[in-house]
Amino acid sequence: AQSVTQLDSHVSVSEGTPVLLRCNYSSSYSPSLFWYVQHPNKGLQLLLKYTSAATLVKGINGFEAEFKKSETSFHLTKPSAHMSDAAEYFCVVSPPPNFGNEKLTFGTGTRLTIIP
Amino acid sequence: DAGVIQSPRHEVTEMGQEVTLRCKPISGHDYLFWYRQTMMRGLELLIYFNNNVPIDDSGMPEDRFSAKMPNASFSTLKIQPSEPRDSAVYFCASTSGRAYEQYFGPGTRLTVT
Repeated sequence: AQSVTQLDSHVSVSEGTPVLLRCNYSSSYSPSLFWYVQHPNKGLQLLLKYTSAATLVKGINGFEAEFKKSETSFHLTKPSAHMSDAAEYFCVVSPPPNFGNEKLTFGTGTRLTIIP
Repeated sequence: DAGVIQSPRHEVTEMGQEVTLRCKPISGHDYLFWYRQTMMRGLELLIYFNNNVPIDDSGMPEDRFSAKMPNASFSTLKIQPSEPRDSAVYFCASTSGRAYEQYFGPGTRLTVT
């Protein structure tokens, strides 16, 4: 079984300040973890993924996330927010490839607002 | 690669009509997923296929919904008859069994009046 909890439904930051979007997961196996971003009226785009390699994962547009097994967390960060970062962000957990169950489990999403 | 292609991008129909949504996965991907997104329920997995065979349709709301994948490059999601509560954005995604992440199409926004 697997689940993911996004701790904030809405985060607002000023342009140029750091971004922190929090995610905790639960899994009965070694999970794969992802962050997807959805801009208004668009599909979901993969930001970054953790697949049991390096625990600090770098993604597109300056985002990164750190896998902390002891805390069962996978928080998303960015040093300096840009107006174009305004979007909905989803934390996602899945089993490893070829596990026999390819379902993704999505968090409820965090809406990021950037204040000019 | 063109990515996952979905059509139509927008569909407006009247209650009781049949609606067909289409999806072309990324070439070489052997898994295809259909999702529905609403404000109330978020993202829900409806059904997924592996090598054109339905593996899990437990998320399909009811018998009004059906999905097919006649070949590796095409899938349809059909709603018959449609109801206003079916209004949502429907996403198709694909992946390879050797990959970790799913690739999403742009979605079809369905409005049933």
